[in-house]
Amino acid sequence: DAGVTQSPTHLIKTRGQQVTLRCSPKSGHDTVSWYQQALGQGPQFIFQYYEEEERQRGNFPDRFSGHQFPNYSSELNVNALLLGDSALYLCASSPPDGGGDEQFFGPGTRLTVL
Amino acid sequence: GEDVEQSLFLSVREGDSSVINCTYTDSSSTYLYWYKQEPGAGLQLLTYIFSNMDMKQDQRLTVLLNKKDKHLSLRIADTQTGDSAIYFCADLRRANNLFFGTGTRLTVIP
Repeated sequence: DAGVTQSPTHLIKTRGQQVTLRCSPKSGHDTVSWYQQALGQGPQFIFQYYEEEERQRGNFPDRFSGHQFPNYSSELNVNALLLGDSALYLCASSPPDGGGDEQFFGPGTRLTVL
Repeated sequence: GEDVEQSLFLSVREGDSSVINCTYTDSSSTYLYWYKQEPGAGLQLLTYIFSNMDMKQDQRLTVLLNKKDKHLSLRIADTQTGDSAIYFCADLRRANNLFFGTGTRLTVIP
């Protein structure tokens, strides 16, 4: 089992561009959550996908959007990038029984906005 | 408020025990977690505790939960240099998302 995988590992973009990050959940997990971790901070919840729908959303603008595919993998899209979007983006997956007892994270995608 | 608070730094000597503390405010939290993050890496789940438990032990790790005071601690016995990292506590909210503290940077001195 490969665990949670994310791609790409690193990404450099310029202000105003758009970016798509990808996540494949751990085998047997159907819920995917995305987090943003700015330098020196704890991760902050962006949103969560379950059954291809956005189930919960944190305090992030509409420039942040996502998608979940039938195979449970997920994408995070950020439009009109700002310098402040530079961060480590983490994906977490959890199992179908509510996910309370297991939340596993991928290695993250480090996004730099110049 | 909805804060999860941790002290920022902790230094211990190799072989000693480390105790990392966390306070949270949301009484609806069902699970509380400890994650470890090494430089440039993602988050590694170390352990978790259900909110109706008061202690959980897993090898060198002991988690204590005082639900009345909303205080969580992680004790690492026989701390090693490989334990140097940032440790995050997090609580699982009703919305089934994790709310993280700011992290405690543990430095183990050889």
